Amino acid sequence: AIQLTQSPSSLSASVGDRVTITCRASQGISNSLAWYQQTPGKAPKLLIYDASTLHSGVPSRFSGSGTGTDFTLTINSLQPEDFATFYCHQFNKFPITFGQGTRLVIK
Amino acid sequence: QVRLVESGGGVVQPGRSLRLSCAASGFTSSNYGMHWVRQAPGKGLEWVAVIKNDGSKTYYADSVTGRFTISRDNSKNTLYLQMNSLRPEDTAVYYCAKDIRQEAADLDQWGQGTLVIVSS
Repeated sequence: AIQLTQSPSSLSASVGDRVTITCRASQGISNSLAWYQQTPGKAPKLLIYDASTLHSGVPSRFSGSGTGTDFTLTINSLQPEDFATFYCHQFNKFPITFGQGTRLVIK
Repeated sequence: QVRLVESGGGVVQPGRSLRLSCAASGFTSSNYGMHWVRQAPGKGLEWVAVIKNDGSKTYYADSVTGRFTISRDNSKNTLYLQMNSLRPEDTAVYYCAKDIRQEAADLDQWGQGTLVIVSS
């Protein structure tokens, strides 16, 4: 199975900061990667699909990039509602896999 | 407005069976692949299974292969997950999720989840 390794596992930041989360795949997955945001007790929400396309209704401060094995999620000018756990997800090969998650907390 | 509503969760003894359902509305479900994803308490997301839009193909995580079966009834806009030989490690919130494509890609809509507890 393709392993997705997110870094960091936890991140502390302040409102207004710019943060970057990385996701590395154990083998090439082209652009078959999505990013999700999950707050406690809620279902995940799609942020970025196909590695770099912003999902409808998602604020433009979120962006994604990468192809092959290395991907990034960037959040510009953090807002209070952005503090959550973020997951990457690959669907290039079965079994589909998720990264272990990155928890973003308020500094 | 897209809506996915899971049901069927509960407490079940190890070795027993349970069937989850996911009622879809607000979109033409026969056009999209559908998934089950689970999340054990305090843990990350784990993909469980996917079924192609027309039901012709299914794929499973290694951890559930041979025990779980995903199916769909497009006439009823409903997705199912039949779970047999349940184990304590199957304890999780189970989400159904809509794919953006026919088979397996990004998941753009999720239900609120249904909790399954496997315990004696």
